[in-house]
Amino acid sequence: GNSVTQMEGPVTLSEEAFLTINCTYTATGYPSLFWYVQYPGEGLQLLLKATKADDKGSNKGFEATYRKETTSFHLEKGSVQVSDSAVYFCALSDIQGGSEKLVFGKGTKLTVNP
Amino acid sequence: DSGVTQTPKHLITATGQRVTLRCSPRSGDLSVYWYQQSLDQGLQFLIQYYNGEERAKGNILERFSAQQFPDLHSELNLSSLELGDSALYFCASSVAPLSGRLYNEQFFGPGTRLTVL
Repeated sequence: GNSVTQMEGPVTLSEEAFLTINCTYTATGYPSLFWYVQYPGEGLQLLLKATKADDKGSNKGFEATYRKETTSFHLEKGSVQVSDSAVYFCALSDIQGGSEKLVFGKGTKLTVNP
Repeated sequence: DSGVTQTPKHLITATGQRVTLRCSPRSGDLSVYWYQQSLDQGLQFLIQYYNGEERAKGNILERFSAQQFPDLHSELNLSSLELGDSALYFCASSVAPLSGRLYNEQFFGPGTRLTVL
């Protein structure tokens, strides 16, 4: 079945450092790809998305490009802030019979120190 | 605030017991999804309802059941609870199941943390 693999955490960075969180997927067809973020004590929020190959999703300084050749959707940010500390989930949409569920990676916890 | 509400926020109970988790979707959303987040399994899809009807099932145990009511709120019932059922349970809602669109964004509630002792 469809699956998502993302780099294990935790990841600890200093403020203004460059962030990469790797994500690869296995899927039949061409799913939409997402990054969700979970701040402490909160639910998941959609951070960015890409719906077809070569699309680049971006939001709040984060970017990810849908790479069909490498089945990847790596999350990047050029300069992280303390407020970016959260758990990040890569996900794909699994569409069957008119229903759409999300398949998530295990999550990567990011801590940014001042 | 996503507009999705879940109650209770925390629930502590004993093995063998039964609990009900409640979810109210965003205004206008017809589709409700339930997910379980646990340390060993990660985030897993359990079940989806659309306008009162079951639409899709994931890795949901037979001890678990759900329903969506005419006012569109949903309840997840967990029975004969085991220690391994301790997890964070999320509800999400979206406008509708896929119908010619590339995707429907799912909006997540804050979750209910279930602890089984």
